[in-house]
Amino acid sequence: QVQLQESGPRLVKPSETLSLTCTVFGGSITGYYWTWIRQPPGKGLEWIGYIYYLGNTNYNPSLKSRVTISLDTSKKQFSLKVSSVTAADTAIYYCARWNYTTTWRLFDYWGQGALVTVSS
Amino acid sequence: DIVMTQSPLSLPVTPGEPASISCRSSQSLLHSDGYNYLDWYLQKPGKSPQLLIYLGSNRASGVPDRFSGSGSGTDFTLKINRVEAEDAGIYYCMHTIQIPLTFGGGTKVEIK
Repeated sequence: QVQLQESGPRLVKPSETLSLTCTVFGGSITGYYWTWIRQPPGKGLEWIGYIYYLGNTNYNPSLKSRVTISLDTSKKQFSLKVSSVTAADTAIYYCARWNYTTTWRLFDYWGQGALVTVSS
Repeated sequence: DIVMTQSPLSLPVTPGEPASISCRSSQSLLHSDGYNYLDWYLQKPGKSPQLLIYLGSNRASGVPDRFSGSGSGTDFTLKINRVEAEDAGIYYCMHTIQIPLTFGGGTKVEIK
């Protein structure tokens, strides 16, 4: 059974960099797009971006200038960095596996989410 | 970006009664391969979203058959045949036809 687990600081100061890591348990990194999605408290879902297992990335244009997603296949981990954060970046950050084939494109496994608060 | 619009915002339902949620996209989600790249997710309180329906009408593994998805192009519907208490939560539609992926604003299903 595949499980994803987010880890990282839950409190970040304004103007600093938010960093989270997602560890994949019970499955392979190969063949999938590893994705970050966020949800401000009480609001809807926003796709941040993904990294393919071969290292290709794609980001939401609304965040592209501040976001970096990286992958460590040996540790089965992928990471998110968001620079120059403000209070608007306060959200639950989810990591998820995007299962993309010629037949479907769907998020089949999600982490439990990590609430990151931006505050001084 | 494709804008996804859901209605209603809130849906109170009596157990055993049917429920229907609408999702409209600002651009067609019908790909040249014949598939509609529209998924439905349910987020139960305090939990991560879980996949219900993919490609507009295909139930994900383990999803009860009281859930069904329909539609094509820009208009889609999620139906719950007979609502149960465990169906409470926020339902989101989402497209995967192009980047960036975007979600609808959500429909909160409340059990009376």
